[in-house]
Amino acid sequence: NAGVTQTPKFQVLKTGQSMTLQCAQDMNHEYMSWYRQDPGMGLRLIHYSVGAGITDQGEVPNGYNVSRSTTEDFPLRLLSAAPSQTSVYFCASSYSTWPTYGYTFGSGTRLTVV
Amino acid sequence: DQQVKQNSPSLSVQEGRISILNCDYTNSMFDYFLWYKKYPAEGPTFLISISSIKDKNEDGRFTVFLNKSAKHLSLHIVPSQPGDSAVYFCAASANTNAGKSTFGDGTTLTVKP
Repeated sequence: NAGVTQTPKFQVLKTGQSMTLQCAQDMNHEYMSWYRQDPGMGLRLIHYSVGAGITDQGEVPNGYNVSRSTTEDFPLRLLSAAPSQTSVYFCASSYSTWPTYGYTFGSGTRLTVV
Repeated sequence: DQQVKQNSPSLSVQEGRISILNCDYTNSMFDYFLWYKKYPAEGPTFLISISSIKDKNEDGRFTVFLNKSAKHLSLHIVPSQPGDSAVYFCAASANTNAGKSTFGDGTTLTVKP
């Protein structure tokens, strides 16, 4: 069981570049989310999805796009990278009974924008 | 306005003793609360949860207590072990907002041998 797989693990971007962070899960989870964690802070929700074809904004959505064409994949696109987007990004998934069992998180993508 | 607060950035306890991690929340719509544990360079892992209809939930060495009137919850670890050294995040969710959790800033627990 791979769980939640995030790629790449590390990335350095120049200001203005775009890129896609990949996230895939093999647990048939309905819910998927993207969070970012800045130093000394908790996780903040960027975007989330309750099923294929359905996405919604979280707390800090500006500068990011998502789509969910399949149950398994939930890519996060940075449109024009800015230094403020330097962070660690976590993808998470859960069953629709999620409050009871919590999220399963990926191991994270550490992004640096210079 | 931070809706979930963990006011102690760090906690140090001796192996074998009790660790008590605290969390306060402000949003009365929250009806489910979770604790996650995070080691460096890894993603958080789910530890234990509690519904607002309960005031206590146990799982082995871990117990979560919820005081709804005070909007306060705590995680007790007994006995504490060196492998418990990690960052602990409190998270809160509302069933009306499926799929969304609000996290605190975390408490770094160090268990000394």
